[in-house]
Amino acid sequence: EVQLVESGGGLIQPGGSLRLSCAASGITVSRDYMSWVRQAPGKGLEWVSLIYASGTTYYADSVKGRFTISRDNYENTLYLQMNSLRAEDAAVYYCARGMGRNWSFDYWGQGTLVTVSS
Amino acid sequence: QSVLTQPPSVSAAPGQKVTISCSGSSSNIGNYYVSWYQQLPGTAPKLLIYDNDYRPSGIPDRFSGSKSGTSATLGITGLQTGDEADYYCATWDSSLSGVVFGGGTKLTVL
Repeated sequence: EVQLVESGGGLIQPGGSLRLSCAASGITVSRDYMSWVRQAPGKGLEWVSLIYASGTTYYADSVKGRFTISRDNYENTLYLQMNSLRAEDAAVYYCARGMGRNWSFDYWGQGTLVTVSS
Repeated sequence: QSVLTQPPSVSAAPGQKVTISCSGSSSNIGNYYVSWYQQLPGTAPKLLIYDNDYRPSGIPDRFSGSKSGTSATLGITGLQTGDEADYYCATWDSSLSGVVFGGGTKLTVL
C-alpha cells in the first residue's frame, strides 16, 4: 500500500522559514518524480514544485528563489524548504507522486497546513 | 487567475450527465496531456483521468475525459450525490515550465 505522510507545517511569522517533509512508503521517491501542490484556504490547487528521478527540479514562479525541493533517498522522504515566507504562502501543502510521463499525480498525502502570520 | 479556465460551478440532477470544460492554449493543453482530479470536501485530490482519457484502476467508467485542440472535457454520467466535489484539470505548460491547474469547478448534484 502506498502512503505519503506530510509533516512540518505550522504557524510561522512572515519572513520565516519552514521545512516540510513527506515520508513515503510503498513507492521509492528516488525512482519516481514527485511534486508539491498547495491549496490556500477556500482556493484552488496550485502547483509548487517538482523533482524528477534525475534530480532536475522545477518551481512555480511564485516560489522560485525562495523554496527548494529535495529528497533523501535513504529515508525515502521528500522535502520542501520554504524561506522568506509570505502571507500568500499560507496553504495546505500536499506531496504527490508523478505517474507515467505526462505529469499526472496518482498518490497524494493528506496535506500539512502552513499558516503565515505575525 | 488560472492559466486553464474552468467554469466555477455546474449542477445537475441525480442520474443525469454533466460535462466540465477546461480551456487552455497551445503552450499547455494544445500540446500536452490533460489530467482530471476530484477533491471531496476536506480531502486530498484524487486522480480521475490521466493522459486525456484514461481512467486509473478503480475509477468507474461513469467518468470520462476527452481533448480537442486547446480544450479538454470531463464527463460524468449517472450522477450520484457522492459525486459532489470540486474538479480540477491540469497539464504541463511549456511557457511556464511547470504544471498548471484549472481554477476548479464545484459540482452540485441537486
